[in-house]
Order: sequence, then C-alpha cells, then structure tokens
Amino acid sequence: QVQLVQSGAEVKTPGASVRVSCKASGYTFTRHDIFWVRQAPGQGLDWMGWMNPNSGNTASAQKFQGRVTLTRSTSMTTAYLDLKNLRYEDTAVYYCARAVGPGLSTRFDSWGQGTLVTVSS
Amino acid sequence: QSVLTQPPSVSGAPGQRVTISCTGSSSNLGANYDVHWYQQLPGTAPKLLIYANNNRPSGISDRFSGSKSGTSASLAIAGLQAEDEADYYCQSYDYRLSGSYVFGTGTKVTVL
Repeated sequence: QVQLVQSGAEVKTPGASVRVSCKASGYTFTRHDIFWVRQAPGQGLDWMGWMNPNSGNTASAQKFQGRVTLTRSTSMTTAYLDLKNLRYEDTAVYYCARAVGPGLSTRFDSWGQGTLVTVSS
Repeated sequence: QSVLTQPPSVSGAPGQRVTISCTGSSSNLGANYDVHWYQQLPGTAPKLLIYANNNRPSGISDRFSGSKSGTSASLAIAGLQAEDEADYYCQSYDYRLSGSYVFGTGTKVTVL
C-alpha cells in the first residue's frame, strides 16, 4: 500500500535551517507530485509547495519563496523539504502528501504522519 | 488567510445530519476548479474524504457526501457518529494566487 514516512521531530533555534524527509513506498515515486503542507498549533492547513519527482521541477507558495527548497532522491524514493532562516512562527507540523488527479482537480490521497518542527531559543 | 471560508464549528446529536459549507470566489470554486474534502482526527494527518466535488475514495462511508454549485461547496455527514468528531477542510486551486493550492479555514464537528 502507499506509504509516506517522515523524519522525526526537530527543535531549532531562530535563524537555523531544518530538513524534513518523506520516504515514499508502495507506488512508483516518479509518477506523482509530492506536496508539502504545514499546520501551526491549533491552526488550519497551509500549502507550502510541490515537487515533481520525475523532473525535479518545483513551485512554492509566495510566502515561502526564498526560504524553502524542495528536492528529492529518486534512488531513495525520498522527498526533502529544507526551510531556512527559521522564525518562531515556523513552529508547526509539516506534512508531505502524494498528489493525484489532473490539474483542475489535484488532491492529496496519501499523507505522511507529520513532522513537528519547534523553533525555540 | 485562506480564500475558502468555512464555519468554525458545527455540532449535532448522534444520528443527525450536519452540513459544512465552503465559500470561495470566482478565482477558485467559481472558475470550475474541483473541491475536495479532508477529515483530520485529533493528532493525525488529514485523510481524503471526498474528491472532485462529490466522489468518495474507496473505503469512505456513504454517510459522507459532497456537492458544489457556483462559488460554494458543501460536505454533508448523515447519521452522525461519535467517530465523526474531527476537523474538516475543503481544498481547491486558486489561479489568482500565482498557482496556489488553497485549503479552507477548517470546521470542527462536535457530536453532542
């Protein structure tokens, strides 16, 4: 079955960087875009960006541009989210999700378990 | 802030039917982009509940149904059960936000 397994919780100081990994299994990794979504404590879901594992093409939400880098290792079937210059307000659970459906109907049918990133001095 | 607006909370007694609205605009739901719904149980990742307006993935109970008209969409839960207590989010695409995938503000469903 499709599975996305993320790396463990992280505690970082302001200004630092963090890398979250997302290991995919149970399907052909290069056939589905991987999206990243975050959820601040007690808040809603916030789309961060996506990556095409086949081409390596990426796009990110305007609010994260310049701070987020999305990469992958096709041999490891793993996607990575790098977020730099961390701020207190980046404290959140970060999810990766597999995208399915055509452009007008893209949705997320499988999610990682989430990675809590805490930014604290 | 999200461009898809949902009521913060909805409640109902066991067995009742509740609906959750998702209000968008001409650049998302009104532009013929599909709406999808997710259920997030406490402490867990979201789960796809309804896709492409009114379709259920395999394994999702038929107590859940969706609809969309113009710039609005709705999720209905029939025969409310204690296990339905969760947060629910709508999701679509908005062409005015540099190609942005948007989520609704979220609705907490409470079973009384």
